[in-house]
Amino acid sequence: GQNIDQPTEMTATEGAIVQINCTYQTSGFNGLFWYQQHAGEAPTFLSYNVLDGLEEKGRFSSFLSRSKGYSYLLLKELQMKDSASYLCAVRGYNNNDMRFGAGTRLTVKP
Amino acid sequence: DVKVTQSSRYLVKRTGEKVFLECVQDMDHENMFWYRQDPGLGLRLIYFSYDVKMKEKGDIPEGYSVSREKKERFSLILESASTNQTSMYLCASSLKGLRELFFGEGSRLTVL
Repeated sequence: GQNIDQPTEMTATEGAIVQINCTYQTSGFNGLFWYQQHAGEAPTFLSYNVLDGLEEKGRFSSFLSRSKGYSYLLLKELQMKDSASYLCAVRGYNNNDMRFGAGTRLTVKP
Repeated sequence: DVKVTQSSRYLVKRTGEKVFLECVQDMDHENMFWYRQDPGLGLRLIYFSYDVKMKEKGDIPEGYSVSREKKERFSLILESASTNQTSMYLCASSLKGLRELFFGEGSRLTVL
């Protein structure tokens, strides 16, 4: 079965750093993805981890620990436009399916 | 740019009606997916397809069927719509190997 957990809501201040956690228990694992979804829009791809460690991409970084079934998305120098939902997703062994957590709604305040 | 196009942004249907949701992608992707998105539940996988005429059930296939007659088109069918199928439906596609999904804008279906 699949169980992907992340906090429902988070609030942070403009210019700050925020970490969004994701834990997963899945029958197969072949990569973890983070997507961003602004209200009323489609999700868009942010990052991908398949090996343990930190992947950095500008203001966004994503970390993976496969042994702990744990990932986080780190957002630095927060901007108002970062207010969105952040979705954690796990790819299964057969490389043909991807399942999502319920998403974390991030609100960035001035 | 990859473009995934869903035929209708908003639909209102009556209970018992047959509903077709169409999705077309223009980047020759092998994989296509249908998800529904509900508040507090996130995206739930209904069906996916990794090749023409191939389909696999996701986590919530009951009440739905799909069709993939051509590589670029993946249709979701509600044989007899029910009120609990009121939701946002998102289509997505990806290359074989599934590095990342490209999503359509979504179809918001209301069943009365």
